[in-house]
Amino acid sequence: AQSVAQPEDQVNVAEGNPLTVKCTYSVSGNPYLFWYVQYPNRGLQFLLKYITGDNLVKGSYGFEAEFNKSQTSFHLKKPSALVSDSALYFCAVSRRGATDSWGKLQFGAGTQVVVTP
Amino acid sequence: DVKVTQSSRYLVKRTGEKVFLECVQDMDHENMFWYRQDPGLGLRLIYFSYDVKMKEKGDIPEGYSVSREKKERFSLILESASTNQTSMYLCASSSGMANEKLFFGSGTQLSVL
Repeated sequence: AQSVAQPEDQVNVAEGNPLTVKCTYSVSGNPYLFWYVQYPNRGLQFLLKYITGDNLVKGSYGFEAEFNKSQTSFHLKKPSALVSDSALYFCAVSRRGATDSWGKLQFGAGTQVVVTP
Repeated sequence: DVKVTQSSRYLVKRTGEKVFLECVQDMDHENMFWYRQDPGLGLRLIYFSYDVKMKEKGDIPEGYSVSREKKERFSLILESASTNQTSMYLCASSSGMANEKLFFGSGTQLSVL
């Protein structure tokens, strides 16, 4: 079984400060890892993914995430937050190489990011 | 860009009614999914489909069924709606590979009274 933990329900940050949203995962074998963002009254939008290779992944809107296999973490980061980054962020995992889980993602509970001016 | 369209943004139904939620995607994707989103619980997979007329149960299939008669359309059916099925329902699609991203619809907020 696979699972995702997002330990913070909400992250508050001032505009211009660094933003970090934490994610840890549990999966048998090697993972595919994803971050999605949900703006108010909208569906989820893809931000970035880790498949293999470089542990630092760059995505949309200036976000990046670092895959750490020893800590089973995939934290989302942005060097300088904007008010428009205020949204609900979801981490998700699927199991690499398993045909029975193709495209089937396990999502975390979500972290609300609030960026204040 | 891929477009995933859910037929209703808001629905209000009565307990015991049969409810149909429709989802259409326009990119010829093999995979389609139905999730429900509840505060504090994230997204939970209800059903998914890898091909026409094919369906597989997700993590919380009880009280739901699905239909995929055409590749582009995936319907979620609540045979007899109950109040605990009040939730946001999200449809998604993807190509056939495990490392491909999901494309989501805007969601249907269902209230069962």
